[in-house]
Amino acid sequence: DGGITQSPKYLFRKEGQNVTLSCEQNLNHDAMYWYRQDPGQGLRLIYYSQIVNDFQKGDIAEGYSVSREKKESFPLTVTSAQKNPTAFYLCASSIGGAGNHEQYFGPGTRLTVT
Amino acid sequence: GENVEQHPSTLSVQEGDSAVIKCTYSDSASNYFPWYKQELGKRPQLIIDIRSNVGEKKDQRIAVTLNKTAKHFSLHITETQPEDSAVYFCAASMAAGNKLTFGGGTRVLVKP
Repeated sequence: DGGITQSPKYLFRKEGQNVTLSCEQNLNHDAMYWYRQDPGQGLRLIYYSQIVNDFQKGDIAEGYSVSREKKESFPLTVTSAQKNPTAFYLCASSIGGAGNHEQYFGPGTRLTVT
Repeated sequence: GENVEQHPSTLSVQEGDSAVIKCTYSDSASNYFPWYKQELGKRPQLIIDIRSNVGEKKDQRIAVTLNKTAKHFSLHITETQPEDSAVYFCAASMAAGNKLTFGGGTRVLVKP
């Protein structure tokens, strides 16, 4: 398993607080992604980045923000504007460039907001 | 945007039998169709993928078929084993950006 890591594994926050989830990869991949996984709904794309200093909104970007200041890091901030933030969050990376390539997933962070 | 539907949501098979999971997609521009397996408590991992220029691909006990005209693709697992028990996700993507749209997942249980 190595190569792409997420921390922490479990995260608990009070409603109204922003929280940042970490994602780091040492695979020298250009592209990185954030997904949200809810029971019975598969994986939904929040944000993705194809290169450093650039990122695009996915299908459910509202209430989330990201940055891509370094190739190996793609942190996700869950803001207080996200109406239902409790979920399992998965980060992924791929070599990027033209065409489609395998995405490698991290172990995930389970966020609980009460 | 792309929409991927996956059926069934749960599938129970006897060890040694075959399992088939079906997905449909909406965007005819999609040209890459991977399948991921997620075991309980673990991260999703790619098990097989197919591109739109082929109709079938096999890797040992798993195979994927693609019907571009009907916009559907299927995963076939033969001679199922208990270790095949997991959640399987299909996905579809167009070439630009490697942005995957996932189906809702199928929970497969292989009964010994």
